Amino acid sequence: AQTVTQSQPEMSVQEAETVTLSCTYDTSESDYYLFWYKQPPSRQMILVIRQEAYKQQNATENRFSVNFQKAAKSFSLKISDSQLGDAAMYFCAYQRPFGNEKLTFGTGTRLTIIP
Amino acid sequence: GAVVSQHPSWVICKSGTSVKIECRSLDFQATTMFWYRQFPKQSLMLMATSNEGSKATYEQGVEKDKFLINHASLTLSTLTVTSAHPEDSSFYICSARRARGGPANTGELFFGEGSRLTVL
Repeated sequence: AQTVTQSQPEMSVQEAETVTLSCTYDTSESDYYLFWYKQPPSRQMILVIRQEAYKQQNATENRFSVNFQKAAKSFSLKISDSQLGDAAMYFCAYQRPFGNEKLTFGTGTRLTIIP
Repeated sequence: GAVVSQHPSWVICKSGTSVKIECRSLDFQATTMFWYRQFPKQSLMLMATSNEGSKATYEQGVEKDKFLINHASLTLSTLTVTSAHPEDSSFYICSARRARGGPANTGELFFGEGSRLTVL
């Protein structure tokens, strides 16, 4: 079974600075998807960024980028120029690409932005 | 972007009663919907996968007779918590995958706003 591990329960960063959230996963599959989701106090899950395992290039979305290390099974999220609105729980998630596959979530990292 | 709506957003009920939570995809058809449960300060745990027109697939340890799931149409799935008890109090979140449209196999799911259940 696939597992997703987030070893940082809490992180904090000064506004406008850069922070990196860690995620590792375990799988025997060679093709899969990885995601970072944001859950603000409203509890609505918001997709931040997605990475296909067969793509070597790291995904980027504006201030958000990932460092995908397939061999190491590592998928970290870098948030640049942190803003107050980035404060939330961040969940790393894994998904097999076959049919209607479920998401397996990590335990989450609570990110606090210091003004 | 695609919109998934849950109703009610918050419900309080007495122990022993049943509660129904709806999950609707408002602007797309979803052949598959997923139901998650989230306890305070914890991650999302998948309860079941809801497939339109067929029986739901439950995760290990989830009582299918207690958590009834119906996916009667391509835009609606319901979760009924039967004979609710205080330990069922939790945040329930649904997500839906497009039946068609957009890039194939992108894997993206769209989440509802969640429903908070409090059982007294």
